[in-house]
Amino acid sequence: QVQLVQSGAEVKKPGASVKVSCKASGYTFTAYVIHWVRQAPGQRLEWMGWIIAGNGNTKYSQKFQGRVTITRDTSARTVYMDLTSLRSEDTAVYYCARGPGGFKWFDTWGQGTLVVVSS
Amino acid sequence: QSVLTQPPSVSGAPGQRVTISCTGSSSNIGADYDTHWYQQVPGTAPKLLMFANTNRPSGVPDRFSGSRSGTTASLAITGLQADDEADYYCQSYDTNVSGWVFGGGTKLTVL
Repeated sequence: QVQLVQSGAEVKKPGASVKVSCKASGYTFTAYVIHWVRQAPGQRLEWMGWIIAGNGNTKYSQKFQGRVTITRDTSARTVYMDLTSLRSEDTAVYYCARGPGGFKWFDTWGQGTLVVVSS
Repeated sequence: QSVLTQPPSVSGAPGQRVTISCTGSSSNIGADYDTHWYQQVPGTAPKLLMFANTNRPSGVPDRFSGSRSGTTASLAITGLQADDEADYYCQSYDTNVSGWVFGGGTKLTVL
């Protein structure tokens, strides 16, 4: 079955960076896009960006432009989300989610990765 | 503002019908971008519940239905069951932010 498995929880200091991974299985990896979405405590879901797994093209939310980088390793069927210059407001659960591309829905989600930013 | 607005909470007794609205604007739902709905049990990842306004993924019961009119989309749940208790989020694409936006979520309580 289609599955996205994310890396484990992280605790980081302000100013540091975090890299979260998302390993895909059960489908043709290059035929879909992978989005990253975060959910801070008590806040709405927030889209961060996406990567087209087939060609590696990316698009980022204006809010995170310059701080987020999404990459993929097709041989490992894994997508990575790198967020730099962390601040306390970045404390959130980070999700990867698969999409068919275009302006469409997110049909499969990873289990989420908690990132805590604290001094 | 490029966000989607949902009621914070709705409730209903088992067997009843509830609806959850999602109000957007001319830069998202009103611009004819589809609305999608997700169900999230607290502590777990969101799950796709409805896509492209009215379509249910395989495995989602037909007690769930979606609609869209103008700048508003709606999710209806009939025959409420205890395990429908969850948070529900709407989502659409927005041209102002050139990305996806979500509603603030609606907590459904089954009385």
